[in-house]
Amino acid sequence: RKEVEQDPGPFNVPEGATVAFNCTYSNSASQSFFWYRQDCRKEPKLLMSVYSSGNEDGRFTAQLNRASQYISLLIRDSKLSDSATYLCVVTHSGGYQKVTFGIGTKLQVIP
Amino acid sequence: EPEVTQTPSHQVTQMGQEVILRCVPISNHLYFYWYRQILGQKVEFLVSFYNNEISEKSEIFDDQFSVERPDGSNFTLKIRSTKLEDSAMYFCASIEDRSNNEQFFGPGTRLTVL
Repeated sequence: RKEVEQDPGPFNVPEGATVAFNCTYSNSASQSFFWYRQDCRKEPKLLMSVYSSGNEDGRFTAQLNRASQYISLLIRDSKLSDSATYLCVVTHSGGYQKVTFGIGTKLQVIP
Repeated sequence: EPEVTQTPSHQVTQMGQEVILRCVPISNHLYFYWYRQILGQKVEFLVSFYNNEISEKSEIFDDQFSVERPDGSNFTLKIRSTKLEDSAMYFCASIEDRSNNEQFFGPGTRLTVL
């Protein structure tokens, strides 16, 4: 089983749609969880951290289920500018020592 | 806004040559990382560095690789004898401290091994 698993997509959605991405991780000792965004041929940029209680930032909502080792990202009211690859990121061994990225899920928002 | 910088943006080298990729992390950051991303593949962790020593490294980070913080600002990744499969984008990243989650990534160096 991959350490961090994501559906690579692509997800093609119309503007204004709601879209959800999922991610599973295999290491139960994982400590910190994040969603990053990566535009084509650019560096990853932090979108949001993921907390056990769930957290929201504008149109973006992240959820963590430790029992199922599952993380989700919900994007509401999709914009054209949301088109990117969304990377699920997990850290372990003390939080910041080893970082594992998922393959990323590609989102294309269509006019 | 402070940012992580990397040089060069693109490096072309012959197989077997040594390359040094350079990074200048954000000045008050304490944790430093190197990642690589082969075209079309996922970002892969190479190494983390704290307090002037390696704190964690992946299976990819073999004896061909080394990292150094030669002065107070630069953080370098050296590949001693490059192979064709080392062709990738190499990203440097830094974190301020453990209480701040965000990794700031540099723009990357594209390494092409011929």
